[in-house]
Amino acid sequence: SQQGEEDPQALSIQEGENATMNCSYKTSINNLQWYRQNSGRGLVHLILIRSNEREKHSGRLRVTLDTSKKSSSLLITASRAADTASYFCATDPTNAGNMLTFGGGTRLMVKP
Amino acid sequence: DVKVTQSSRYLVKRTGEKVFLECVQDMDHENMFWYRQDPGLGLRLIYFSYDVKMKEKGDIPEGYSVSREKKERFSLILESASTNQTSMYLCASSWWDTQETQYFGPGTRLLVL
Repeated sequence: SQQGEEDPQALSIQEGENATMNCSYKTSINNLQWYRQNSGRGLVHLILIRSNEREKHSGRLRVTLDTSKKSSSLLITASRAADTASYFCATDPTNAGNMLTFGGGTRLMVKP
Repeated sequence: DVKVTQSSRYLVKRTGEKVFLECVQDMDHENMFWYRQDPGLGLRLIYFSYDVKMKEKGDIPEGYSVSREKKERFSLILESASTNQTSMYLCASSWWDTQETQYFGPGTRLLVL
């Protein structure tokens, strides 16, 4: 099964609202990353949070990490139609060398 | 800016054909990866390479092989394409020492008839 699993699988909001996506994982990690994928395109790295960090910000993005619960959340504030995409979390398990393990993604639709 | 390019955006092949997917990165990254992406299954690692001529199997290597003769180029080979290999194929690269952020190409959507 996947190391990271996003919740919800799909999310639809109005422009200007906040969007929150969650990621749960199973094993100890070095870091957790969030990526965005526009329809039919490759993934783009958004933000990385290390296992000793609890919160990180980048522009309108806010990521939290709770290692005791093995979970992370991605908050996009004041969403825009251009934020419509799939969002994936990826974990770097402590015993996996160079490999990232990706979740199934959350499909976000932001309606104008 | 890091640039990862893939040889084709869309590809249509017939069952049994040999298929080559090529990926090139311009940032002198040591690591390169091939994933396939299917609805409901997320990204699954096929193979990765941490140096020229070095490769390691990922989660789903069956039916695939890879080649890395030059540092900037990583090829995925389907020796005899099958319909269950119809998928989106994504290439990525990363630095060796950080082993963190991966930079992705635009993807190749392969249809095997």
